[in-house]
Amino acid sequence: GAGVSQSPSNKVTEKGKDVELRCDPISGHTALYWYRQSLGQGLEFLIYFQGNSAPDKSGLPSDRFSAERTGGSVSTLTIQRTQQEDSAVYLCASSWGGAKNIQYFGAGTRLSVL
Amino acid sequence: GESVGLHLPTLSVQEGDNSIINCAYSNSASDYFIWYKQESGKGPQFIIDIRSNMDKRQGQRVTVLLNKTVKHLSLQIAATQPGDSAVYFCAERMGNQGGKLIFGQGTELSVKP
Repeated sequence: GAGVSQSPSNKVTEKGKDVELRCDPISGHTALYWYRQSLGQGLEFLIYFQGNSAPDKSGLPSDRFSAERTGGSVSTLTIQRTQQEDSAVYLCASSWGGAKNIQYFGAGTRLSVL
Repeated sequence: GESVGLHLPTLSVQEGDNSIINCAYSNSASDYFIWYKQESGKGPQFIIDIRSNMDKRQGQRVTVLLNKTVKHLSLQIAATQPGDSAVYFCAERMGNQGGKLIFGQGTELSVKP
């Protein structure tokens, strides 16, 4: 596709369940990022993949959060044993790579934990 | 309705006027800055960027100014239009921190017709 695609667009889950959020980056982009946006707030960095390098996981809030990127393309963000405070919009971005390349964002997945 | 979160700073302007949105960034080691526009229900959309070796950059109807002395960034929008109504975020990238962006809180721009 022409842009970053995220699925699902909305996810409602019960507290304690695991969820998987998917990101399809722009074709050819080597860098992929996950951010979290709580209601009325700015974006909070979670994790960053660049090519075959080890990911920068410094923003993951707890060990319940993990992400992987298969084949240098699609990425999945997994949240285990979801809590109500995990409710937010999870945004994925991709770029050509290199620290100063523009990040292009998907529309996000709105996660609601009941 | 939705639960109440933090209230964003709001700028209200008349259609056709110029808008100036300000941002204070946090780290003197940041070497790259970006402005994004976010409309309701959508992801952030790139507007303009600037590197730390510049103090001004112009795009179509937009200008970004960077003052490294006081760690201040501003976005100027000329002839503001109703379609410019959105939340605007500045973001910084520290030179030794790879690709991750540090976002500001955001400013909500409301354009009155």
